[in-house]
Amino acid sequence: SQTIHQWPATLVQPVGSPLSLECTVEGTSNPNLYWYRQAAGRGLQLLFYSVGIGQISSEVPQNLSASRPQDRQFILSSKKLLLSDSGFYLCAWSDDRSYEKLFFGSGTQLSVL
Amino acid sequence: DQQVKQNSPSLSVQEGRISILNCDYTNSMFDYFLWYKKYPAEGPTFLISISSIKDKNEDGRFTVFLNKSAKHLSLHIVPSQPGDSAVYFCAASLNNNDMRFGAGTRLTVKP
Repeated sequence: SQTIHQWPATLVQPVGSPLSLECTVEGTSNPNLYWYRQAAGRGLQLLFYSVGIGQISSEVPQNLSASRPQDRQFILSSKKLLLSDSGFYLCAWSDDRSYEKLFFGSGTQLSVL
Repeated sequence: DQQVKQNSPSLSVQEGRISILNCDYTNSMFDYFLWYKKYPAEGPTFLISISSIKDKNEDGRFTVFLNKSAKHLSLHIVPSQPGDSAVYFCAASLNNNDMRFGAGTRLTVKP
């Protein structure tokens, strides 16, 4: 069966510090991978998606970046965090066979202070 | 540009009664619609979906209705249970790489 791992679960970082959130998927190959963010009081916002290694599409211009160094690994990064980067970050994957459905990780609650 | 809208941020319902969650969309090209359920500190989980070629899909206590002419869909939960208390996200899919979510509606089912 397929599983998705996302870590850490919570993170408190000072403004201006770097960020690295990692997500890995097991049990499938060549998944579509996604990073979403839910800011306080707002809905899920698509940040990045990837259809293959090294292929990243950005939905929202910001100081965040994403990378896919391996088929089932998706990393969200920032060189310098802003207060507005606080939120709940979700990694997700979808399979070409059931592309309509996303399977989410358990999320990372990021607080930038 | 918010293409999927859930205008009610919260809804409170008595246990045993019907819960109706609403969702509107602007892009007529969306061809698949989904509802996700999210508990605090967890990722959303898929609940139910409907293709644009249908107007109703039922799964146990959950039914999704699609009105394409009005660009509106709704989720009905009958009967509502306290365990249904969660945030419900409406989502619409345009193609393999594009799924848009609404802002979510927090449902509270009171015992």
